[in-house]
Amino acid sequence: DSGVTQTPKHLITATGQRVTLRCSPRSGDLSVYWYQQSLDQGLQFLIQYYNGEERAKGNILERFSAQQFPDLHSELNLSSLELGDSALYFCASSVEPGANSPLHFGNGTRLTVT
Amino acid sequence: GQQVMQIPQYQHVQEGEDFTTYCNSSTTLSNIQWYKQRPGGHPVFLIQLVKSGEVKKQKRLTFQFGEAKKNSSLHITATQTTDVGTYFCAGRWGNKLVFGAGTILRVKS
Repeated sequence: DSGVTQTPKHLITATGQRVTLRCSPRSGDLSVYWYQQSLDQGLQFLIQYYNGEERAKGNILERFSAQQFPDLHSELNLSSLELGDSALYFCASSVEPGANSPLHFGNGTRLTVT
Repeated sequence: GQQVMQIPQYQHVQEGEDFTTYCNSSTTLSNIQWYKQRPGGHPVFLIQLVKSGEVKKQKRLTFQFGEAKKNSSLHITATQTTDVGTYFCAGRWGNKLVFGAGTILRVKS
């Protein structure tokens, strides 16, 4: 158990809808990362937060947004969903955003868009 | 943008054979991390390499970081069925940690 909690485990929704994925980081970790894993594209970095502030941005679509709250949990909002958004979404946390912190991943949320 | 190229994409070995996966970056990395993802699981941190030319070992796994800090490799000696999964390298530039596409390892017993 990595100590990172993601909910829900599975989500099935229709195109055009909006969903929210939730992540609670490991106790003591201040940094949260979001990754998207598709079958053909590996782990794609979306966005990173540290202590409530955005620290780094990857290939995150404009339809997607995220935030980290004062209690350090994070939410990833996906809107106007398309079939291609179906993927496994991982949240990971680390102690700090710096160069030497390993990431601890949650079990992921599997999103299916029909 | 920053990219890490990882090869091979897939390798199927006989139990007891060795396995190697390679990562390359076009730019110098701050460090490189390696993760393993079992089928149906989530990535799990294995190790981090920071220094130029660094070599680290974990039992049958040997990790190397190139002198120029642009490439890295993971070598598994005498693979076992428990080694199956996808091995990812992840290169760090500042706050960004970018993963390679991963190498899927299958082991035939």
